[in-house]
Amino acid sequence: NAGVTQTPKFQVLKTGQSMTLQCAQDMNHEYMSWYRQDPGMGLRLIHYSVGAGITDQGEVPNGYNVSRSTTEDFPLRLLSAAPSQTSVYFCASSPRGRGGDTQYFGPGTRLTVL
Amino acid sequence: GQQVMQIPQYQHVQEGEDFTTYCNSSTTLSNIQWYKQRPGGHPVFLIQLVKSGEVKKQKRLTFQFGEAKKNSSLHITATQTTDVGTYFCAGLSGTYKYIFGTGTRLKVLA
Repeated sequence: NAGVTQTPKFQVLKTGQSMTLQCAQDMNHEYMSWYRQDPGMGLRLIHYSVGAGITDQGEVPNGYNVSRSTTEDFPLRLLSAAPSQTSVYFCASSPRGRGGDTQYFGPGTRLTVL
Repeated sequence: GQQVMQIPQYQHVQEGEDFTTYCNSSTTLSNIQWYKQRPGGHPVFLIQLVKSGEVKKQKRLTFQFGEAKKNSSLHITATQTTDVGTYFCAGLSGTYKYIFGTGTRLKVLA
């Protein structure tokens, strides 16, 4: 199993550009989530999904869209990039997402918005 | 909203010294998880605590969950250079949302 994979590893955008961060898992997990990590602020939940076709907002959803058309994939879309979205983005998955489930994290995407 | 704070933010120790990080939530937690993130890496699950007052050990690591289920601690005995990284706690908010603490970055001086 590859676990949780993310592409790209690095990305530089200009303000106003849009892009999609890809996330895939091959563990048949129902729950997938996106976090952003900024220095001194830990990880903050952006969006999550408890199954195909079901998504919900986390702590910091503004400026991001998600969709879950398959169990395996959970892409994160930046609609109009802003410098405040410069961060490291982690995708994670767990079997169900409820208490008791281990979250497995991908390697991350380092995004810089100029 | 719910907040999870960790102290200290940074800790430098000599190899062989002990290390403790504390996690405090503004609300009662149903469970708490601990993760380790090596420099340049991604968070990796260490352990989960569920019961009030629970204590779990993993070799040199001891994890505690407070009686009121609002705080937790991670203690490392006799640190080694392999312990370097940032340690995060994460509390479950509601059914599906994990709130991560701010993390404690540990540096071990050989």
